[in-house]
Amino acid sequence: EAQVTQNPRYLITVTGKKLTVTCSQNMNHEYMSWYRQDPGLGLRQIYYSMNVEVTDKGDVPEGYKVSRKEKRNFPLILESPSPNQTSLYFCASSSRGGSYEQYFGPGTRLTVT
Amino acid sequence: DAKTTQPTSMDCAEGRAANLPCNHSTISGNEYVYWYRQIHSQGPQYIIHGLKNNETNEMASLIITEDRKSSTLILPHATLRDTAVYYCIAQIYNQGGKLIFGQGTELSVKP
Repeated sequence: EAQVTQNPRYLITVTGKKLTVTCSQNMNHEYMSWYRQDPGLGLRQIYYSMNVEVTDKGDVPEGYKVSRKEKRNFPLILESPSPNQTSLYFCASSSRGGSYEQYFGPGTRLTVT
Repeated sequence: DAKTTQPTSMDCAEGRAANLPCNHSTISGNEYVYWYRQIHSQGPQYIIHGLKNNETNEMASLIITEDRKSSTLILPHATLRDTAVYYCIAQIYNQGGKLIFGQGTELSVKP
């Protein structure tokens, strides 16, 4: 089954404790991206990757890092999480950047205390 | 990117057609209209897209007015599982892949 998976689905952590949210897709997609969703602010793009070893900032990249060493994986790294990064995070992929149809993962709900 | 305006919420009876309007009066010639939906905090799901012709797929139909200033997403036989927030997006193709989601329409399908 074609899908985007994210782990963990739920995470409660403390300020400053490094964490990684994994994202993996099995569709051989070139393009992957990360969004966060907050009440009243909608979905905002954090980072995206047009292909392996190619990443770029989205609208809200501060406090986040990404890497794209393999085509299927696009982890989101929070090196020193803060409470304002409490949010619902989604990973997405598509066959190429700008493709009409993007596939979203199930989401990771992160709480930073 | 064209600004889109959608009603905040709508109700629809189960089994009836759900018609979701979207206004994008400032749309430019190379901007596509996309529709996604999000069911209760799940990941958004692609529904359909179009440029100027009406489009239909297994999920829905997209009707775009001739002047392209507005469009309507039609779910022909709404079910309870269609209850979701529906997002209308108008933007150019290949813009770093970013989808610009607005506030959307919360559709409630009622028995």
